[in-house]
Amino acid sequence: KQEVTQIPAALSVPEGENLVLNCSFTDSAIYNLQWFRQDPGKGLTSLLLIQSSQREQTSGRLNASLDKSSGRSTLYIAASQPGDSATYLCAVTSSGGSNYKLTFGKGTLLTVNP
Amino acid sequence: DAGVIQSPRHEVTEMGQEVTLRCKPISGHDYLFWYRQTMMRGLELLIYFNNNVPIDDSGMPEDRFSAKMPNASFSTLKIQPSEPRDSAVYFCASSRSGGRYNSPLHFGNGTRLTVT
Repeated sequence: KQEVTQIPAALSVPEGENLVLNCSFTDSAIYNLQWFRQDPGKGLTSLLLIQSSQREQTSGRLNASLDKSSGRSTLYIAASQPGDSATYLCAVTSSGGSNYKLTFGKGTLLTVNP
Repeated sequence: DAGVIQSPRHEVTEMGQEVTLRCKPISGHDYLFWYRQTMMRGLELLIYFNNNVPIDDSGMPEDRFSAKMPNASFSTLKIQPSEPRDSAVYFCASSRSGGRYNSPLHFGNGTRLTVT
Protein backbone atom coordinates (compact mmCIF):
# COMPACT_ATOMS: atom_id res chain seq x y z
CA LYS A 1 0.00 0.00 0.00
CA GLN A 2 1.41 3.37 -1.04
CA GLU A 3 2.09 5.80 1.78
CA VAL A 4 3.06 9.44 1.35
CA THR A 5 4.76 11.44 4.09
CA GLN A 6 5.41 15.17 4.18
CA ILE A 7 7.94 16.86 6.40
CA PRO A 8 7.71 19.26 8.10
CA ALA A 9 4.03 19.37 9.06
CA ALA A 10 4.28 23.13 9.53
CA LEU A 11 6.83 25.76 8.59
CA SER A 12 7.04 29.47 9.36
CA VAL A 13 9.52 31.70 7.53
CA PRO A 14 10.14 35.42 7.03
CA GLU A 15 9.28 36.99 3.70
CA GLY A 16 12.00 36.69 1.06
CA GLU A 17 13.45 33.43 2.33
CA ASN A 18 13.98 30.46 0.04
CA LEU A 19 12.49 27.24 1.36
CA VAL A 20 12.15 23.53 0.66
CA LEU A 21 9.21 21.25 1.36
CA ASN A 22 9.77 17.51 1.42
CA CYS A 23 7.67 14.57 0.29
CA SER A 24 8.49 10.86 0.46
CA PHE A 25 6.61 7.82 -0.80
CA THR A 26 7.03 4.12 -0.07
CA ASP A 27 6.36 2.52 -3.48
CA SER A 28 8.48 3.80 -6.36
CA ALA A 29 6.12 2.31 -8.97
CA ILE A 30 4.43 5.59 -9.85
CA TYR A 31 3.20 7.31 -12.99
CA ASN A 32 3.62 10.82 -11.70
CA LEU A 33 3.80 13.05 -8.66
CA GLN A 34 1.83 16.24 -8.22
CA TRP A 35 2.21 19.18 -5.86
CA PHE A 36 -0.97 21.00 -4.82
CA ARG A 37 -1.73 24.14 -2.88
CA GLN A 38 -4.76 24.41 -0.59
CA ASP A 39 -5.99 27.71 0.83
CA PRO A 40 -8.30 27.69 3.88
CA GLY A 41 -11.86 26.74 2.97
CA LYS A 42 -10.90 26.01 -0.61
CA GLY A 43 -10.18 23.03 -2.79
CA LEU A 44 -6.76 22.00 -4.03
CA THR A 45 -5.01 23.77 -6.88
CA SER A 46 -2.47 21.82 -8.91
CA LEU A 47 0.93 23.56 -8.99
CA LEU A 48 3.27 21.14 -10.72
CA LEU A 49 3.06 17.63 -12.14
CA ILE A 50 6.23 15.56 -12.66
CA GLN A 51 5.98 12.46 -14.79
CA SER A 52 7.93 9.40 -13.60
CA SER A 53 10.45 9.83 -16.44
CA GLN A 54 11.18 13.44 -15.47
CA ARG A 55 13.54 14.82 -12.84
CA GLU A 56 12.03 18.24 -12.25
CA GLN A 57 9.44 20.81 -13.25
CA THR A 58 9.52 24.57 -12.85
CA SER A 59 6.80 27.20 -12.75
CA GLY A 60 7.78 30.73 -11.84
CA ARG A 61 9.30 30.73 -8.37
CA LEU A 62 8.45 27.05 -7.85
CA ASN A 63 10.70 24.13 -8.68
CA ALA A 64 9.79 20.52 -7.95
CA SER A 65 12.22 17.64 -8.20
CA LEU A 66 11.63 13.91 -8.26
CA ASP A 67 13.96 11.05 -7.31
CA LYS A 68 11.78 8.05 -8.00
CA SER A 69 14.33 5.43 -6.99
CA SER A 70 14.68 6.87 -3.50
CA GLY A 71 11.00 7.75 -3.22
CA ARG A 72 11.53 11.47 -2.65
CA SER A 73 10.36 14.78 -4.02
CA THR A 74 11.06 18.35 -2.99
CA LEU A 75 9.22 21.59 -3.69
CA TYR A 76 11.51 24.60 -3.71
CA ILE A 77 9.96 28.05 -3.31
CA ALA A 78 12.24 30.98 -4.09
CA ALA A 79 11.89 34.42 -2.55
CA SER A 80 8.81 33.51 -0.53
CA GLN A 81 5.93 36.00 -0.20
CA PRO A 82 3.05 36.27 2.29
CA GLY A 83 0.71 35.20 -0.52
CA ASP A 84 2.49 31.85 -0.58
CA SER A 85 1.00 31.04 2.82
CA ALA A 86 -1.12 27.90 2.39
CA THR A 87 -1.03 24.16 2.87
CA TYR A 88 1.06 22.32 0.28
CA LEU A 89 0.24 18.69 -0.49
CA CYS A 90 1.99 16.16 -2.65
CA ALA A 91 0.28 13.19 -4.26
CA VAL A 92 1.51 10.21 -6.26
CA THR A 93 -0.33 8.25 -8.93
CA SER A 94 0.60 4.62 -8.43
CA SER A 95 1.11 2.42 -11.46
CA GLY A 96 -0.04 -0.86 -9.95
CA GLY A 97 -3.56 -2.04 -9.21
CA SER A 98 -6.01 0.85 -9.44
CA ASN A 99 -4.00 2.89 -11.95
CA TYR A 100 -5.65 6.24 -11.46
CA LYS A 101 -5.59 6.40 -7.71
CA LEU A 102 -3.76 9.34 -6.19
CA THR A 103 -2.37 8.93 -2.69
CA PHE A 104 -1.95 12.20 -0.82
CA GLY A 105 0.35 13.26 1.96
CA LYS A 106 -1.16 15.21 4.86
CA GLY A 107 0.49 18.41 3.77
CA THR A 108 2.84 21.10 5.05
CA LEU A 109 1.25 24.25 6.45
CA LEU A 110 3.41 27.15 5.29
CA THR A 111 3.25 30.60 6.86
CA VAL A 112 5.28 33.42 5.30
CA ASN A 113 5.53 36.37 7.66
CA PRO A 114 5.78 39.91 6.26
CA ASP B 1 -14.32 27.58 -17.60
CA ALA B 2 -16.28 27.58 -14.34
CA GLY B 3 -14.22 24.81 -12.81
CA VAL B 4 -15.60 21.93 -10.76
CA ILE B 5 -18.79 23.02 -9.03
CA GLN B 6 -19.97 21.45 -5.80
CA SER B 7 -23.13 22.03 -3.81
CA PRO B 8 -23.99 22.72 -1.13
CA ARG B 9 -20.90 24.44 0.34
CA HIS B 10 -22.03 23.64 3.86
CA GLU B 11 -24.43 21.02 5.16
CA VAL B 12 -25.50 20.56 8.76
CA THR B 13 -27.75 17.63 9.52
CA GLU B 14 -28.81 15.38 12.34
CA MET B 15 -27.65 11.82 12.78
CA GLY B 16 -29.82 9.40 10.83
CA GLN B 17 -30.75 11.85 8.09
CA GLU B 18 -29.97 11.34 4.42
CA VAL B 19 -27.36 13.64 2.89
CA THR B 20 -26.80 14.20 -0.83
CA LEU B 21 -23.75 16.01 -2.16
CA ARG B 22 -23.60 17.18 -5.75
CA CYS B 23 -20.85 17.76 -8.27
CA LYS B 24 -20.59 19.16 -11.78
CA PRO B 25 -17.20 18.32 -13.34
CA ILE B 26 -15.37 20.42 -15.90
CA SER B 27 -16.83 19.92 -19.36
CA GLY B 28 -14.81 17.41 -21.38
CA HIS B 29 -13.24 15.72 -18.39
CA ASP B 30 -13.80 11.96 -18.44
CA TYR B 31 -12.67 11.12 -14.92
CA LEU B 32 -14.46 12.14 -11.74
CA PHE B 33 -13.25 11.53 -8.19
CA TRP B 34 -14.86 11.87 -4.77
CA TYR B 35 -12.48 12.54 -1.84
CA ARG B 36 -13.02 13.05 1.87
CA GLN B 37 -10.70 15.22 3.98
CA THR B 38 -10.33 15.12 7.76
CA MET B 39 -7.62 16.36 10.06
CA MET B 40 -6.88 12.86 11.29
CA ARG B 41 -6.81 10.96 8.01
CA GLY B 42 -6.05 13.64 5.43
CA LEU B 43 -7.44 13.20 1.91
CA GLU B 44 -8.96 9.81 1.17
CA LEU B 45 -10.26 8.63 -2.19
CA LEU B 46 -13.79 7.30 -1.86
CA ILE B 47 -14.67 6.40 -5.45
CA TYR B 48 -13.85 7.39 -9.00
CA PHE B 49 -15.67 7.18 -12.33
CA ASN B 50 -14.44 6.96 -15.91
CA ASN B 51 -16.93 7.92 -18.61
CA ASN B 52 -19.72 7.79 -16.01
CA VAL B 53 -18.87 4.22 -14.96
CA PRO B 54 -17.67 3.53 -11.39
CA ILE B 55 -14.16 2.05 -11.60
CA ASP B 56 -12.95 1.77 -8.02
CA ASP B 57 -15.18 2.16 -4.98
CA SER B 58 -12.88 0.40 -2.54
CA GLY B 59 -12.54 3.61 -0.54
CA MET B 60 -16.24 3.87 0.23
CA PRO B 61 -16.28 3.32 3.97
CA GLU B 62 -19.61 1.53 4.37
CA ASP B 63 -22.80 0.56 2.62
CA ARG B 64 -24.28 3.78 3.94
CA PHE B 65 -22.29 5.56 1.23
CA SER B 66 -23.30 5.44 -2.43
CA ALA B 67 -22.33 7.43 -5.51
CA LYS B 68 -23.85 7.82 -8.94
CA MET B 69 -22.95 9.53 -12.18
CA PRO B 70 -26.04 9.51 -14.41
CA ASN B 71 -24.36 11.60 -17.10
CA ALA B 72 -21.07 13.28 -17.94
CA SER B 73 -21.98 16.54 -16.24
CA PHE B 74 -23.37 15.42 -12.89
CA SER B 75 -22.52 13.17 -9.96
CA THR B 76 -23.94 12.64 -6.48
CA LEU B 77 -22.56 11.20 -3.27
CA LYS B 78 -25.23 10.04 -0.85
CA ILE B 79 -24.94 9.07 2.80
CA GLN B 80 -27.91 7.29 4.32
CA PRO B 81 -28.19 7.23 7.28
CA SER B 82 -25.58 9.81 8.27
CA GLU B 83 -23.50 9.52 11.45
CA PRO B 84 -21.40 12.07 13.38
CA ARG B 85 -18.18 10.34 12.24
CA ASP B 86 -19.10 11.22 8.64
CA SER B 87 -18.38 14.87 9.44
CA ALA B 88 -15.66 16.01 7.04
CA VAL B 89 -15.04 18.06 3.92
CA TYR B 90 -16.02 16.18 0.79
CA PHE B 91 -14.28 17.12 -2.45
CA CYS B 92 -15.11 16.33 -6.02
CA ALA B 93 -12.35 16.45 -8.63
CA SER B 94 -12.17 15.86 -12.35
CA SER B 95 -9.48 15.16 -14.92
CA ARG B 96 -9.08 14.40 -18.60
CA SER B 97 -7.04 11.28 -17.99
CA GLY B 98 -7.20 10.47 -14.28
CA GLY B 99 -3.81 11.99 -13.59
CA ARG B 100 -1.86 9.22 -15.25
CA TYR B 101 -0.41 11.46 -17.95
CA ASN B 102 0.31 15.15 -18.02
CA SER B 103 -3.17 16.08 -16.89
CA PRO B 104 -3.60 17.41 -13.36
CA LEU B 105 -6.61 16.99 -11.13
CA HIS B 106 -9.02 19.93 -10.77
CA PHE B 107 -10.80 20.18 -7.44
CA GLY B 108 -14.05 21.83 -6.44
CA ASN B 109 -14.24 23.97 -3.30
CA GLY B 110 -15.75 21.12 -1.31
CA THR B 111 -18.81 20.53 0.86
CA ARG B 112 -18.28 20.85 4.60
CA LEU B 113 -20.57 18.28 6.22
CA THR B 114 -21.42 18.40 9.90
CA VAL B 115 -23.53 15.62 11.38
CA THR B 116 -24.79 16.29 14.91
